[in-house]
Amino acid sequence: AQKITQTQPGMFVQEKEAVTLDCTYDTSDPSYGLFWYKQPSSGEMIFLIYQGSYDQQNATEGRYSLNFQKARKSANLVISASQLGDSAMYFCAMRDFNTNAGKSTFGDGTTLTVKP
Amino acid sequence: KAGVTQTPRYLIKTRGQQVTLSCSPISGHRSVSWYQQTPGQGLQFLFEYFSETQRNKGNFPGRFSGRQFSNSRSEMNVSTLELGDSALYLCASSLAAGGPATNEKLFFGSGTQLSVL
Repeated sequence: AQKITQTQPGMFVQEKEAVTLDCTYDTSDPSYGLFWYKQPSSGEMIFLIYQGSYDQQNATEGRYSLNFQKARKSANLVISASQLGDSAMYFCAMRDFNTNAGKSTFGDGTTLTVKP
Repeated sequence: KAGVTQTPRYLIKTRGQQVTLSCSPISGHRSVSWYQQTPGQGLQFLFEYFSETQRNKGNFPGRFSGRQFSNSRSEMNVSTLELGDSALYLCASSLAAGGPATNEKLFFGSGTQLSVL
């Protein structure tokens, strides 16, 4: 069964500094995708970044990068140069290729607060 | 391009009633999935529809049902509401090529906040 674990309920970071949000996962499917989503207080989830299990390089999208360590089953999100607008809840999610068509499994989320 | 639209935004019901939530996906998106979000349980997968067929279902009782229309719009229904059904219900759409895929990012609506009294 798929499982996503986010061990940091809340994180604080100073504006302009970098922050790493942790995510570990578990699956028996060799082909899977990992995602990070951001949920501001308005409630709408926003896609940030994607990493495929067979991708050789870590994914990057602007200030977001994904530190993918396959052997450790971890997919940490790194936000560089934090901005006040980055304050939100962040969810790590996974999608298997073979076993769970159409289903994404989410972690419990990490609330990030950026301090001015 | 318009985003995912969910209606209504807020809903207050009493125990025992039933409720229908609506979701209009992004134009061209063929997959619609539903999630229940609560502070205690996080985001829980309800079901996913592709081309009017339910492809996957989460571990929810039969009181939770859904459907998808030929224009990809989707509805979910909860019958005999219980206090524990109070939650934010999120709908998400994706392009969905048809077969299983790992890289389908989800586009979410703003959700329907359901309160059961």
